[in-house]
Amino acid sequence: GEDVEQSLFLSVREGDSSVINCTYTDSSSTYLYWYKQEPGAGLQLLTYIFSNMDMKQDQRLTVLLNKKDKHLSLRIADTQTGDSAIYFCAETPSNTDKLIFGTGTRLQVFP
Amino acid sequence: DAGVTQSPTHLIKTRGQQVTLRCSPKSGHDTVSWYQQALGQGPQFIFQYYEEEERQRGNFPDRFSGHQFPNYSSELNVNALLLGDSALYLCASSSVGVDYEQYFGPGTRLTVT
Repeated sequence: GEDVEQSLFLSVREGDSSVINCTYTDSSSTYLYWYKQEPGAGLQLLTYIFSNMDMKQDQRLTVLLNKKDKHLSLRIADTQTGDSAIYFCAETPSNTDKLIFGTGTRLQVFP
Repeated sequence: DAGVTQSPTHLIKTRGQQVTLRCSPKSGHDTVSWYQQALGQGPQFIFQYYEEEERQRGNFPDRFSGHQFPNYSSELNVNALLLGDSALYLCASSSVGVDYEQYFGPGTRLTVT
């Protein structure tokens, strides 16, 4: 089936690390993604990971993939107030290009 | 390099009316996908166009239709609007062979009254 789950809220202090978690059910997914959405805006592609990888690092962002548990996480180091947004996890099942999104995690960063 | 653009930004329609939304893909992209994002939800896939044909479709009724033009731009049409069609409509573009990179436009906010 196609279902992506995320926790709804995360609140962190500026300068701390944030970890946003996601679980998915389609083990055939080829790519897994993290998108960022600021209020009133479209989706910004942050990073993605191919299903045969365990980890991907891109500047302050670290993505971890546990295929056995179908768990994906996004770690943001040194979280800033500009990181406050909704973060969506998404997958692309095999043989399709469509993105299946989670309901999003609202990250709030306080000083 | 212009990214994905969409028009109009906002739109208000009445139940039963028809609406057309437009999308221009990122330069170099030839594939356009449309998504519907209801308030507080993640985007839901409507359909995808490539080479002027619908390539994939999500679980949306036939009231939702689309078109892709030779310059790769696309339109989303919704007939017989319902209150439940109120949402942010997002267009994403990608390129065949690099389909894993989908870039989104800012969206069109449709309100049906």
